[in-house]
Amino acid sequence: QKEVEQNSGPLSVPEGAIASLNCTYSDRVSQSFFWYRQYSGKSPELIMSIYSNGDKEDGRFTAQLNKASQYVSLLIRDSQPSDSATYLCAVNWETGNQFYFGTGTSLTVIP
Amino acid sequence: KAGVTQTPRYLIKTRGQQVTLSCSPISGHRSVSWYQQTPGQGLQFLFEYFSETQRNKGNFPGRFSGRQFSNSRSEMNVSTLELGDSALYLCASSLEWGTDTQYFGPGTRLTVL
Repeated sequence: QKEVEQNSGPLSVPEGAIASLNCTYSDRVSQSFFWYRQYSGKSPELIMSIYSNGDKEDGRFTAQLNKASQYVSLLIRDSQPSDSATYLCAVNWETGNQFYFGTGTSLTVIP
Repeated sequence: KAGVTQTPRYLIKTRGQQVTLSCSPISGHRSVSWYQQTPGQGLQFLFEYFSETQRNKGNFPGRFSGRQFSNSRSEMNVSTLELGDSALYLCASSLEWGTDTQYFGPGTRLTVL
């Protein structure tokens, strides 16, 4: 059974702080990893993808992947109230090209 | 480039009825996936279509079916609706099957009374 797990939160951080979101997955045979942001009542939008171990930075966002420990994280620097949303972790396993999503972590950035 | 579009955006049906949802992928994208999102279960994969063929199927009953047309547009059908089918149904498109970046449409909110 392939699983993707996230802490549901809610996670609250003050404006300007670093928000750290974590995701673990159950199968070592994994191919690619994604973070999506979903505002209330809206559909998920892609923030970042990461394929190899290490860090990947895009503006205020940094994704970190550690395949040996089977976790992927998302850091949001200088958090803004507009970052308040649910963040979904998704894993695409090598076989079958099927995405598995975590249930999401709710983030609130307090002004 | 226009994004993924889904119609209708909202639907209200009663138990036992059937419903058809439509999805038009991003121009040039040939793979379409469908998901069901509920507060308790999160995003759950329904099925994926590429070149008019179902390539993957999630763990949903046979009441859920879909198809894809030659222009890559896709439809999803749910027959004999149950209360538990109330959810946000999301369509996502990607360039090719095996291409792993998916882009979501706005979703269809289905309410079953």
